[in-house]
Amino acid sequence: AQSVTQPDIHITVSEGASLELRCNYSYGATPYLFWYVQSPGQGLQLLLKYFSGDTLVQGIKGFEAEFKRSQSSFNLRKPSVHWSDAAEYFCAVGRTQGGSEKLVFGKGTKLTVNP
Amino acid sequence: KAGVTQTPRYLIKTRGQQVTLSCSPISGHRSVSWYQQTPGQGLQFLFEYFSETQRNKGNFPGRFSGRQFSNSRSEMNVSTLELGDSALYLCASSLEPGLTGRETQYFGPGTRLLVL
Repeated sequence: AQSVTQPDIHITVSEGASLELRCNYSYGATPYLFWYVQSPGQGLQLLLKYFSGDTLVQGIKGFEAEFKRSQSSFNLRKPSVHWSDAAEYFCAVGRTQGGSEKLVFGKGTKLTVNP
Repeated sequence: KAGVTQTPRYLIKTRGQQVTLSCSPISGHRSVSWYQQTPGQGLQFLFEYFSETQRNKGNFPGRFSGRQFSNSRSEMNVSTLELGDSALYLCASSLEPGLTGRETQYFGPGTRLLVL
């Protein structure tokens, strides 16, 4: 089945530490890939997206993600986490299947930042 | 420019009732999509509207319906509410249609529905 997997339900890091959130997808072809962030009580905000080209994508708030075709992964990274980064992060995949468009989200990774 | 607005923000209903949620897209955006977010199922796509026409639909029962008006505002309706319909309902708008993401979707804060 086609799916998006975020293996880590909850991650805790210290402020200033580096961060990597994992995302794996299972699709036959390279889909469109996204990372969204959701702060408590808020909707989703797009951090970055990948369609084609350079496999290292820069986003807002100092985030970047790297697409690795061989590993079917699109991991999100940040070199130094700030307390305001505490939120839930969602990886998503968009593609056209059978004439119908789909945007499929992972279950999310909740990030806690310790002072 | 104002973002996506959703009303109401919170709603409590009882089983069997129906509910209507409203979404006003960003000015100039013509496409509106709806999502359901629950702790168990995560974020699931409900439907997408463009030019007052439903363009895509997710795997939800017919109790879930929606529409879009000529000013691009959208409503979704859930009839005969069930306990499992308790969720955060998110609306997203974009300039043009397309769920694959070529068009960036901007999300509203959501309507939190509790069914008792």
